[in-house]
Amino acid sequence: QKEVEQDPGPLSVPEGAIVSLNCTYSNSAFQYFMWYRQYSRKGPELLMYTYSSGNKEDGRFTAQVDKSSKYISLFIRDSQPSDSATYLCVLRVGQGGSEKLVFGKGTKLTVNP
Amino acid sequence: EAQVTQNPRYLITVTGKKLTVTCSQNMNHEYMSWYRQDPGLGLRQIYYSMNVEVTDKGDVPEGYKVSRKEKRNFPLILESPSPNQTSLYFCASSFRRPAEAFFGQGTRLTVV
Repeated sequence: QKEVEQDPGPLSVPEGAIVSLNCTYSNSAFQYFMWYRQYSRKGPELLMYTYSSGNKEDGRFTAQVDKSSKYISLFIRDSQPSDSATYLCVLRVGQGGSEKLVFGKGTKLTVNP
Repeated sequence: EAQVTQNPRYLITVTGKKLTVTCSQNMNHEYMSWYRQDPGLGLRQIYYSMNVEVTDKGDVPEGYKVSRKEKRNFPLILESPSPNQTSLYFCASSFRRPAEAFFGQGTRLTVV
């Protein structure tokens, strides 16, 4: 079983739709959860991060973590064409000098005007 | 402006010809790393550095070398590139731990 599973999509929605992006993970040692956005031909950029189970909101974006189910989600409200990108869930595991990031493979999202 | 700068952005080279991809950050970050991104495989870590003169292997280090002589710079060296190293490479830095990372714009390398 892969450490982090993410549906690659592609996902195509109309402008204004609510988008739900999801990842599951297998290792309960993951303790830090992030979402990155990657536009075509660009490097990934950090969108949101959280340590704990529950919801964290930032404008139109909400990150949700359920540690009991090992499930993380990113919701985008009122989606815009500028949200069209690949979204990566990224988890951190380890302690001290042995920490590392584990990346989902990304979900490609297209928001159509 | 806070940024991670990689050069070159695009490179086509031949098998066996040594090359270096440079990476520089202006945020005084301690932690730097190199990743490669391949279709269907996602981002995989090649090497990382927790500080000057401290480097360690990531998940796919074979065929690569790095050095960290200065805090701001973390070059990636391919001593004898092979076609299976054709990929999109990203350098990233973060303050102290691998968490909220800043990524460079990427270097698309083709080895023929």
